[in-house]
Amino acid sequence: EAAVTQSPRNKVTVTGGNVTLSCRQTNSHNYMYWYRQDTGHGLRLIHYSYGAGNLQIGDVPDGYKATRTTQEDFFLLLELASPSQTSLYFCASSEGTGKEVFFGKGTRLTVV
Amino acid sequence: GDSVTQTEGLVTLTEGLPVMLNCTYQTIYSNPFLFWYVQHLNESPRLLLKSFTDNKRTEHQGFHATLHKSSSSFHLQKSSAQLSDSALYYCALSGYQGGRALIFGTGTTVSVSP
Repeated sequence: EAAVTQSPRNKVTVTGGNVTLSCRQTNSHNYMYWYRQDTGHGLRLIHYSYGAGNLQIGDVPDGYKATRTTQEDFFLLLELASPSQTSLYFCASSEGTGKEVFFGKGTRLTVV
Repeated sequence: GDSVTQTEGLVTLTEGLPVMLNCTYQTIYSNPFLFWYVQHLNESPRLLLKSFTDNKRTEHQGFHATLHKSSSSFHLQKSSAQLSDSALYYCALSGYQGGRALIFGTGTTVSVSP
């Protein structure tokens, strides 16, 4: 089974702080994604990538940057964190469109 | 842009009864992929079933769904709910074969009681 590892699993930061969420997949998948999950909104796509150096904007990108440094590693950056970014963040990967998407265990971020 | 609508936020039912979760979608692409993902408490979402073919029934783990392009629907059904079916269910769409990411609906929580 595809392995997607997120770190940290939990993070608390202050308003205005900088946060980096990390994700690594070890299955040679080309596609990687960042979603946030909120009650009433479901899973919303923040950013995604087709491969190293590639970045695509998702549906809720405001306040987030992302970088895909290698095929394995995808980072989500919050440079000025706000309480509205308190959420459960999932990283995921897949071989491509129409293929199964595999999710990491999630990072719970709290901005106080 | 692409969108997925799940009309029920919460479905509560008794074990043994049938369950149907509604999913409709919008996309400009003529050959979308449709998916159902399931997320149990404190777990990550995982694939339940998927379809690409119009009017063909897809089944997995007792659940089934049929993609109907004429009505842009992909409803999930099960004939007899089990306690272990209690979970959050997401319908999802990939509207472009060339590489668009999955777009999810808002999810339906299913609660099955004895």
